[in-house]
Amino acid sequence: GAGVSQSPSNKVTEKGKDVELRCDPISGHTALYWYRQSLGQGLEFLIYFQGNSAPDKSGLPSDRFSAERTGGSVSTLTIQRTQQEDSAVYLCASSSDRGPYNEQFFGPGTRLTVL
Amino acid sequence: DQQVKQNSPSLSVQEGRISILNCDYTNSMFDYFLWYKKYPAEGPTFLISISSIKDKNEDGRFTVFLNKSAKHLSLHIVPSQPGDSAVYFCAASWGGYQKVTFGTGTKLQVIP
Repeated sequence: GAGVSQSPSNKVTEKGKDVELRCDPISGHTALYWYRQSLGQGLEFLIYFQGNSAPDKSGLPSDRFSAERTGGSVSTLTIQRTQQEDSAVYLCASSSDRGPYNEQFFGPGTRLTVL
Repeated sequence: DQQVKQNSPSLSVQEGRISILNCDYTNSMFDYFLWYKKYPAEGPTFLISISSIKDKNEDGRFTVFLNKSAKHLSLHIVPSQPGDSAVYFCAASWGGYQKVTFGTGTKLQVIP
């Protein structure tokens, strides 16, 4: 079946502009995660959605970052007034809820470059 | 506060030899540990995991060892193959919570 897809694959924007990154999880997966990987860094957790529960936003670095998940499926990560330090690869992952610990399936990521 | 640490950013190993990737953690609440593998321009893919009730889990050429008293785990790949060249991330979770904490990764290069 189809895996996790993300769009766009690459995004170049100017400092101060807003950007929206999209994630289509695997159908039926109830959990959805956003991470980012800055150059030379590990995977930094941003936000986690699980079913209809309130999302865990503890990883969002500032109030310029927000995310929503519509209809329990597609998610959009929005970065307002982008800064150069926001340049990174933004990764989305999804998992099912069968069992306590579930493999996360990652998308290919969106490479964001803020000029 | 980096709760999952991979202190070696890179590792080079000859083909056929053993690769050992190390990971340390600080949160004693962690009870489930995972390794992910990442090729360039792709998302990470799950490789192997271990529960804290075990000290070893093996899957083909990959074995993960867990030393709870030392808060240390390691991934052994034997024999190493050029296709194993990738970045390996250690990750940890606890309490059945789906959120995992990732380490910074170790870039493995297997030299033919």
